[in-house]
Amino acid sequence: ETGVTQSPTHLIKTRGQQVTLRCSSQSGHNTVSWYQQALGQGPQFIFQYYREEENGRGNFPPRFSGLQFPNYSSELNVNALELDDSALYLCAGGPPNTGELFFGEGSRLTVL
Amino acid sequence: DAKTTQPPSMDCAEGRAANLPCNHSTISGNEYVYWYRQIHSQGPQYIIHGLKNNETNEMASLIITEDRKSSTLILPHATLRDTAVYYCIVRVGSLIQGAQKLVFGQGTRLTINP
Repeated sequence: ETGVTQSPTHLIKTRGQQVTLRCSSQSGHNTVSWYQQALGQGPQFIFQYYREEENGRGNFPPRFSGLQFPNYSSELNVNALELDDSALYLCAGGPPNTGELFFGEGSRLTVL
Repeated sequence: DAKTTQPPSMDCAEGRAANLPCNHSTISGNEYVYWYRQIHSQGPQYIIHGLKNNETNEMASLIITEDRKSSTLILPHATLRDTAVYYCIVRVGSLIQGAQKLVFGQGTRLTINP
């Protein structure tokens, strides 16, 4: 039990659509980050949020955006979905001054 | 790109110690070594991390060479539930302003055999 929950667990979209993925973290996890994991690959860092502001971003286009809320929840939004966006999306939370990240089980997105 | 090199796969007998190597020859003085594992269809799980001293917790031990260019994760008594992909990651240690970026490589797929 990591204290990080994600929804939905699975979803299917078509190319060009938009998707919102949600993450809820436990109290004290005031940093949150999102990762994309393609099949057979390691997770790739998308971005991180701290105190509701983005303060780090990986090599992902602007159509990947996010929000962090005061209640330790967050969202990942992806616009204009492409086939290559099919992946497992992982949310990770943690307190700001430790090396431990707590990952959720992920949301598996399939784009047709 | 990941700053670590790991063997793609390893096997270990149940009950024996599993020793997973990692090379990080370009590690900087302020970078820590972190280990995570990912069991099939689950999110990555933090195992252990260290800077230069050997570390041990309830899950594993981490041995870092004196020159810090390589390390070994040791699972002392491997069980079938330890079958997973193990990732070795180097990164700046303290989470300054929430810096949570981890650069995952391909990891080592560890299979524990009965």
